Amino acid sequence: EADIYQTPRYLVIGTGKKITLECSQTMGHDKMYWYQQDPGMELHLIHYSYGVNSTEKGDLSSESTVSRIRTEHFPLTLESARPSHTSQYLCASASTGNTIYFGEGSWLTVV
Amino acid sequence: AQTVTQSQPEMSVQEAETVTLSCTYDTSESNYYLFWYKQPPSRQMILVIRQEAYKQQNATENRFSVNFQKAAKSFSLKISDSQLGDTAMYFCAFMKVNTGGFKTIFGAGTRLFVKA
Repeated sequence: EADIYQTPRYLVIGTGKKITLECSQTMGHDKMYWYQQDPGMELHLIHYSYGVNSTEKGDLSSESTVSRIRTEHFPLTLESARPSHTSQYLCASASTGNTIYFGEGSWLTVV
Repeated sequence: AQTVTQSQPEMSVQEAETVTLSCTYDTSESNYYLFWYKQPPSRQMILVIRQEAYKQQNATENRFSVNFQKAAKSFSLKISDSQLGDTAMYFCAFMKVNTGGFKTIFGAGTRLFVKA
């Protein structure tokens, strides 16, 4: 069982608010990812990182930003939330063997 | 850019029977990994099976096995002796492996229903 944690699990927030979704892993993985997934739909890669101080944008255009100051921590920030940001956000990390482990997800609703 | 295609949005199978989920991908890379992930309803995404591109032998994990055809860029998942607990969304994933990063992309998913 992988140790990757996301908080909050569920969040309802007003339009224009700034939010940060937290993701932490205790496995020492260098590679970390953020995916956006609407219910029952495909995953879209929005950001990834292959180590401290390295971040890359994924394929899905996103208004979010990420940081990787510590190996274990990879937070995702939305400066100004909009209803179109309503979705599930999945954090993941990958081992040296390149197996990806997922967190339980953060469900964001912007009203 | 890499793409992953799962052409079957939805499939169903009778309990105890065998089902095959298809996945094709497009890449110019020679070094990569392929995965099948399972996402049960309202539950966490978990790894089913993985395959390293440099290995010719198909990966097997209990009732799950893959048919990896590198030249054809095909990576299908076979589930034998299907069980009710196999009902889930199944995602095929591609991980590029290079010194610049380990970008991983997923297909659109196949929703599998196992019927009693």
